[in-house]
Amino acid sequence: NAGVTQTPKFRVLKTGQSMTLLCAQDMNHEYMYWYRQDPGMGLRLIHYSVGEGTTAKGEVPDGYNVSRLKKQNFLLGLESAAPSQTSVYFCASSRPGLAGVLVETQYFGPGTRLLVL
Amino acid sequence: QKEVEQDPGPLSVPEGAIVSLNCTYSNSAFQYFMWYRQYSRKGPELLMYTYSSGNKEDGRFTAQVDKSSKYISLFIRDSQPSDSATYLCAMSEEGFKTIFGAGTRLFVKA
Repeated sequence: NAGVTQTPKFRVLKTGQSMTLLCAQDMNHEYMYWYRQDPGMGLRLIHYSVGEGTTAKGEVPDGYNVSRLKKQNFLLGLESAAPSQTSVYFCASSRPGLAGVLVETQYFGPGTRLLVL
Repeated sequence: QKEVEQDPGPLSVPEGAIVSLNCTYSNSAFQYFMWYRQYSRKGPELLMYTYSSGNKEDGRFTAQVDKSSKYISLFIRDSQPSDSATYLCAMSEEGFKTIFGAGTRLFVKA
């Protein structure tokens, strides 16, 4: 049981290049999330998905696209990387919570460090 | 103004000290309050959560929520060097769209 895995671990891009970050989870979770973490800003939600084939925008979606073709995978794409996208990217997954009572733990991957020059 | 404010620290304490970590927030609709611990170069992991106001204790850790003051706290008793990490508070209205604080870096010196 690997939990949440992310590839790659580290990447350097030049401005304008594109790339895809892959997140995979083996816990059969319905919900998956992409966050970015910047110094002094905490974790900010980029996009999330509540099920296979569905995605929604989070707090900072501009410049990113996502896809959830399979329940266990959530892909984050950068079509034209910018230096402002230099960050650490975390993927997380969770089960749906029971309304009004229980919040479900978000399980995070180890992160992808991205440097855009 | 950010929805969730958290002092980034760093906070340095001797081993065995009681540590107090705090966050304030502005959205009165938040109902779920969480603390995540993040070790260096790792992903965050959930430490504790509470629903609405009140206290919750788990071993050396106690979480407090004061909704009237929009203030939450995490207390660590008998702090250990292994507690050295960044602590992120987090809050949610529905339970899955979560707003995180910036995190407080804690160093516990042996």
